[in-house]
Amino acid sequence: NAGVTQTPKFQVLKTGQSMTLQCAQDMNHNSMYWYRQDPGMGLRLIYYSASEGTTDKGEVPNGYNVSRLNKREFSLRLESAAPSQTSVYFCASSTQGVGSPLHFGNGTRLTVT
Amino acid sequence: AQTVTQSQPEMSVQEAETVTLSCTYDTSENNYYLFWYKQPPSRQMILVIRQEAYKQQNATENRFSVNFQKAAKSFSLKISDSQLGDTAMYFCALSNDYKLSFGAGTTVTVRA
Repeated sequence: NAGVTQTPKFQVLKTGQSMTLQCAQDMNHNSMYWYRQDPGMGLRLIYYSASEGTTDKGEVPNGYNVSRLNKREFSLRLESAAPSQTSVYFCASSTQGVGSPLHFGNGTRLTVT
Repeated sequence: AQTVTQSQPEMSVQEAETVTLSCTYDTSENNYYLFWYKQPPSRQMILVIRQEAYKQQNATENRFSVNFQKAAKSFSLKISDSQLGDTAMYFCALSNDYKLSFGAGTTVTVRA
């Protein structure tokens, strides 16, 4: 049982380059999320998808776009990477219900130079 | 808006001893859920414990227990009989819908 799978694990970009972070879950969860983790700031929500076909902005959406490709997959795109987007990115999923715990992928460490 | 505050950036504890991590939060909702997540050096986020706000009984999970004080909006985590494998960053989180808001985290180091 793979759970939540993120690719890639590591990535280095130059300022202005674009890339897409991929996420897939095999738990038949309805809701999916993208968080970023920065030192001293915990995890901050970038975008989420409450159910297939819907996406909404979280706390820090600027500079990012998302696509809920199907129930399993939720991708995060950086159109023009900036050094401020250097971070660890986590994808997560949950059953759609108040108070459902999140199941996380292993994270992607992104460095923008 | 909801906020979660963890005021202890780092804590150190001797193996087999007990350590308590503090967490305070703010929300205008009456029905919400609180969580503690553990992040070891492997970077994986692992659910430690979950508390439903309408339940007065404090949640426990093996050596992990919480002290939930709803009126004070406090949700501390106690790790008993600390083990070397407990070395990790611990995050407190709050949810009143299907999104979680996280605190800044507390790094716990267990000394042999």
